[in-house]
Amino acid sequence: GQSLEQPSEVTAVEGAIVQINCTYQTSGFYGLSWYQQHDGGAPTFLSYNGLDGLEETGRFSSFLSRSDSYGYLLLQELQMKDSASYFCAVRPNPSGGYQKVTFGTGTKLQVIP
Amino acid sequence: NAGVTQTPKFQVLKTGQSMTLQCAQDMNHNSMYWYRQDPGMGLRLIYYSASEGTTDKGEVPNGYNVSRLNKREFSLRLESAAPSQTSVYFCASSEDGSFNEKLFFGSGTQLSVL
Repeated sequence: GQSLEQPSEVTAVEGAIVQINCTYQTSGFYGLSWYQQHDGGAPTFLSYNGLDGLEETGRFSSFLSRSDSYGYLLLQELQMKDSASYFCAVRPNPSGGYQKVTFGTGTKLQVIP
Repeated sequence: NAGVTQTPKFQVLKTGQSMTLQCAQDMNHNSMYWYRQDPGMGLRLIYYSASEGTTDKGEVPNGYNVSRLNKREFSLRLESAAPSQTSVYFCASSEDGSFNEKLFFGSGTQLSVL
């Protein structure tokens, strides 16, 4: 099975940079994704890493190191609207139940003025 | 495009009652999913469907049944609701083979079982 660990809460200042970590225990997976969820809303896709390294999408970047069983989401130039919960998720390899996408427990980010 | 549409948005049930949560997507996706979300526990997979006519158990399937009626629709049924099933339920879909394999989520159903 898959197990993904994230810090439960993070607080950061508007305009700053924050990193949200995701460590996992899994035998193998297809890719690591990140989702954002505002209170009362639905999760929305932010970023995806199929290969090791850094992926950049505007103010958001995501990193994956399979050898270290570790990934992170980096948010730059924080805005108040970035206050939300952030989830990492892994999709198994096609041979291992490809649709069994597993989510981490989530990190609640609070951006303060 | 509406994306993924879930109904109802809110529902209150008494213990032992049954109900069906409806989900439809208009993106021609093969895969559909049902998740539940409880405070502090993230999203947990209940059931998924890789294609029309197929369904498989996820992490927490007990107490639920699903039906993939056609490519667009994937319903979740609670036959005899229990207070432990109080949760927010999300339906999602994805296009297999897309480069980022992202899930598209519906707006959720908040279910309370008394």
